[in-house]
Parts: sequence; C-alpha cells; structure tokens
Amino acid sequence: GAVVSQHPSWVICKSGTSVKIECRSLDFQATTMFWYRQFPKQSLMLMATSNEGSKATYEQGVEKDKFLINHASLTLSTLTVTSAHPEDSSFYICSARPLARGSYNEQFFGPGTRLTVL
Amino acid sequence: GQNIDQPTEMTATEGAIVQINCTYQTSGFNGLFWYQQHAGEAPTFLSYNVLDGLEEKGRFSSFLSRSKGYSYLLLKELQMKDSASYLCAVRVGYSGATNKLIFGTGTLLAVQP
Repeated sequence: GAVVSQHPSWVICKSGTSVKIECRSLDFQATTMFWYRQFPKQSLMLMATSNEGSKATYEQGVEKDKFLINHASLTLSTLTVTSAHPEDSSFYICSARPLARGSYNEQFFGPGTRLTVL
Repeated sequence: GQNIDQPTEMTATEGAIVQINCTYQTSGFNGLFWYQQHAGEAPTFLSYNVLDGLEEKGRFSSFLSRSKGYSYLLLKELQMKDSASYLCAVRVGYSGATNKLIFGTGTLLAVQP
C-alpha cells in the first residue's frame, strides 16, 4: 500500500518549452501533496505544498508563475515547469500525505522525474 | 530560519556499526524522520522519532534529544547495499500547509568490503 507514481520518469526538452510532471497516489487519497527539487549531490528542497482544491503554498524563493501546480483531485497533482531553462534541470520528486493518517502521519514519495533542459 | 546539519560523507566497513548524526534548529518541531535514498531514486522511510529516546527497528535505530536538537541514526551489521544517502528531516507545523518536512543536507555513506 501507499504507492505514489510519477510520470514521466525522465524528460529532455528544449529551452523555452514547458514540461508537465504528474504525481499520482495509486492506492490512497491524498489531501496534501508536496513537490521537491533535488540537485546533484544535494538534499531535497521543498518547492511547494499542494492541497486538493486550493492554491498551492510556495516556499520562499520559488516562482509560482514558473512552477505551476494543480491539485485537481485527491489522487493527482501536476507540476508544470514553464519556459524551462537549463538551470531548471533537476530531479523533481513528489510526495503525498494520505487522507487517512498513518501512525506517523508520514509522506510517501514518488520515484522522481529527471528533467534535463537543453 | 530552518537549519538541519549532517556530515556530508562517511565511510564504514561491511559488518561494522556506523552512527550518522543530525543537528537541527527549526521554528517548531513535530517529529523527526530518517530516510534512505539510493542515487536517482525516491527516499524510503527508515524511522520516526517524536519523543526523546531510542527507537529500534531491526538493524536500524534512531535516537532523539529534543532539548539538544540532536538525532542520530545507527546502522548495525553494515551490508554493501546500505551504501546510500541518509536524509534527516524535521517536520514542522501541525496542520494544513504548515505541516511539512525540512530536509537536512544528507549524508552519503559508502560501505567498503
């Protein structure tokens, strides 16, 4: 149980294009999903917190107009990197917190999406 | 501000014991998690502490001292497959958008034969 998927697992795009990444909770409903970015040999940096049916809350320094987040249902959140540039190349990881809280009220992580912008 | 520190890298020998430390200074505290992450993969949950003391799960144990802002992860009987990054994460906030994980810098553990 508590499986989170991401699609695509990797993507290569040209500079200036937009890329959409999907995060799905496969066997549970998630009121809250989180989007992280991880640069090589660095830890996870929280970008934004996404609550179903409401606007995402972005961390300081993250441009909300560049990283569009939509959480339209209890099982799906999407991150769109608009007008991507090479510096946006990174490993993007989502996580989901179940509606039915577990022992630790923990988040479950997706497998990540490797974005490379040429 | 939020600050969570871990050693950047550690090396240990197969079969040995290794302790990975984590110190934190955060605005609020609602539990501390340890995750294991292999390169290019998602973090996987190892342990959780919210009260002071030691939590043991098989070969892995985690300790927390809230007054000192300190935790450690103890790995026993090291195996080659334990070579990975170990992430310390503090949960801050209690509800809604304020309940989130702040990750430490991560410790890359290399287990040698």
